[in-house]
Amino acid sequence: KNEVEQSPQNLTAQEGEFITINCSYSVGISALHWLQQHPGGGIVSLFMLSSGKKKHGRLIATINIQEKHSSLHITASHPRDSAVYICATSLDKVIFGPGTSLSVIP
Amino acid sequence: NAGVTQTPKFQVLKTGQSMTLQCAQDMNHNSMYWYRQDPGMGLRLIYYSASEGTTDKGEVPNGYNVSRLNKREFSLRLESAAPSQTSVYFCASSEVGQGRYGYTFGSGTRLTVV
Repeated sequence: KNEVEQSPQNLTAQEGEFITINCSYSVGISALHWLQQHPGGGIVSLFMLSSGKKKHGRLIATINIQEKHSSLHITASHPRDSAVYICATSLDKVIFGPGTSLSVIP
Repeated sequence: NAGVTQTPKFQVLKTGQSMTLQCAQDMNHNSMYWYRQDPGMGLRLIYYSASEGTTDKGEVPNGYNVSRLNKREFSLRLESAAPSQTSVYFCASSEVGQGRYGYTFGSGTRLTVV
């Protein structure tokens, strides 16, 4: 069993849909990160959170420490949101999930 | 623009050749990292440097060496490239415990070993 798991592995959505990507982890953490990797390959940090909820534009990240679970929500999805979304946990080391590939169709 | 700069962006090597991937950051971050990314797998840590003058092995260090030249620069060297080292390599940096965003990544180096 991987220490950081994501679901779904692949996701296709229509433009405008509300999207949820899930991340479950089995390790202790000091923080959980959400990253975005565009088709060109570049990786951008979206959020770093250790409790509660953070919002940036149409993106919302939540974490439930007791349940060891985090979600990334995208409201009013757009084709430019098409990317791979990666969650990662950090304590003394960083462990990356396998990523969720999102495709938003116009 | 401030950030992490990696060079080269693409490289093709023959088995047995050596090369150095360069990485520099201008954000005054203490920690720097080298990752590799393979299809269907998450990013895996090769080496990291928690601060200038220190380096430590990550999850997959075999076949690689690193140098933290100064606070800005962290290079990754392949002494004798093997086809198993075909991958996309990312350098990253972080200011441990601080920052709105945890990590800043370079744009990646796509390496093919034939």
